[in-house]
Amino acid sequence: DIQMTQSPSSLSASVGDRVTMTCRASQGVRTFLAWFQQKPGKAPKSLIYAASNLQSGVPSRFSGSGSGTDFTLTISSLQPEDFATYYCQQYDVYPLTFGGGTKVEIK
Amino acid sequence: QVQLVESGGGVAQPGRSLRLSCTGSGFTVRNYGIHWVRQAPGKALEWVAVISYDGIDKHYADSVKGRFTLSRDNSKNTLYLQMTSLRPEDTAVYYCARDPRLQDTLVVPTAPDFWGQGALVIVSS
Repeated sequence: DIQMTQSPSSLSASVGDRVTMTCRASQGVRTFLAWFQQKPGKAPKSLIYAASNLQSGVPSRFSGSGSGTDFTLTISSLQPEDFATYYCQQYDVYPLTFGGGTKVEIK
Repeated sequence: QVQLVESGGGVAQPGRSLRLSCTGSGFTVRNYGIHWVRQAPGKALEWVAVISYDGIDKHYADSVKGRFTLSRDNSKNTLYLQMTSLRPEDTAVYYCARDPRLQDTLVVPTAPDFWGQGALVIVSS
């Protein structure tokens, strides 16, 4: 199985900050990489697919990049509603696998 | 709008069975595959399985293969996850989520787009 490693596991930031988090795959997944946002007690929400494509309705302050083994999710200006845990998922091969998550907390 | 609602969660003893249902609305359920993803308390998301729009193609995580079975009743817009030989480590919130491709096989994987709110399954004696 492909292992997905996210870093950092948590970060503290302020409203308005630029935030970057990374996701690394144990083997290349081309650009078959998705990002999800999850708030406490809620279902995940799809943000990005194919490494850099925003799902419909996702604010443009979110962006994704990368290919192969290294990927990045960036929030250009953190908003109060963005405090959540973010997960990456590879879908290059079965079984689909998720990273351990990055929790974005309020500084 | 697209909605998915899970039901059937609850408490089961180890070794017993439980069946989850996932009912869709706001889209033509029979045209889409459905993923199941679970999340143990305080843990990360774990992909469980996926079934194609026509119920022919299915893929399972190794952790549930041979114990969990996917099926669907397109006349009821409902998907099922039959869980047998339950273990304490199956305790989790189970989400169903839509595969975004229209009438596609699952030969090539893809990530889900819309998610349900989840159903809690507790396996405990």
